[in-house]
Amino acid sequence: RKEVEQDPGPFNVPEGATVAFNCTYSNSASQSFFWYRQDCRKEPKLLMSVYSSGNEDGRFTAQLNRASQYISLLIRDSKLSDSATYLCVVNSPDSNSGYALNFGKGTSLLVTP
Amino acid sequence: ETGVTQSPTHLIKTRGQQVTLRCSSQSGHNTVSWYQQALGQGPQFIFQYYREEENGRGNFPPRFSGLQFPNYSSELNVNALELDDSALYLCASSARTGNYEQYFGPGTRLTVT
Repeated sequence: RKEVEQDPGPFNVPEGATVAFNCTYSNSASQSFFWYRQDCRKEPKLLMSVYSSGNEDGRFTAQLNRASQYISLLIRDSKLSDSATYLCVVNSPDSNSGYALNFGKGTSLLVTP
Repeated sequence: ETGVTQSPTHLIKTRGQQVTLRCSSQSGHNTVSWYQQALGQGPQFIFQYYREEENGRGNFPPRFSGLQFPNYSSELNVNALELDDSALYLCASSARTGNYEQYFGPGTRLTVT
């Protein structure tokens, strides 16, 4: 079983729609949680860290449920420029892997006019 | 921009050859991590360096090796290249504070023929 699982999509939504991405992780000792955005043939870029209390950055809201080992990302009022792959990322520090990031395969989003 | 740079941008090698990829970390960051991203997959952790020592390693064979220098820049070396080594190689830098967020360089796209 992969450590981080995401629905690969693709999600095709019209401009202005609200879209939600979900992610589960298997390591209960995981300490840090992130959403990264990756455009085609580019590097991943940190979108936001995810905290247990939930956090919001403009149109983006992230939630973490440690009991269910579940992370979510909500995008409101989708823009064409939101089209990208969204990567769910978990940091589970241990003696073998240090502070390695574990990535899901990513969920592809296409926002259409 | 993250301030993380990588060179070269693209590289074509033949099977059996050796390759060295380079990364300069963001100012103030003392930790460098390397990831391999195959097409359609999330990045996979190769190893991490902290203060010039390997601090963690993923599930990659010993022909993947690295170095970190006193200025925190880093190299990834791959010996005896195989066709499956064709991928985007990403370097990420971080400081060991807060949420241990990692910031990625633009990557080196390696093609092995």
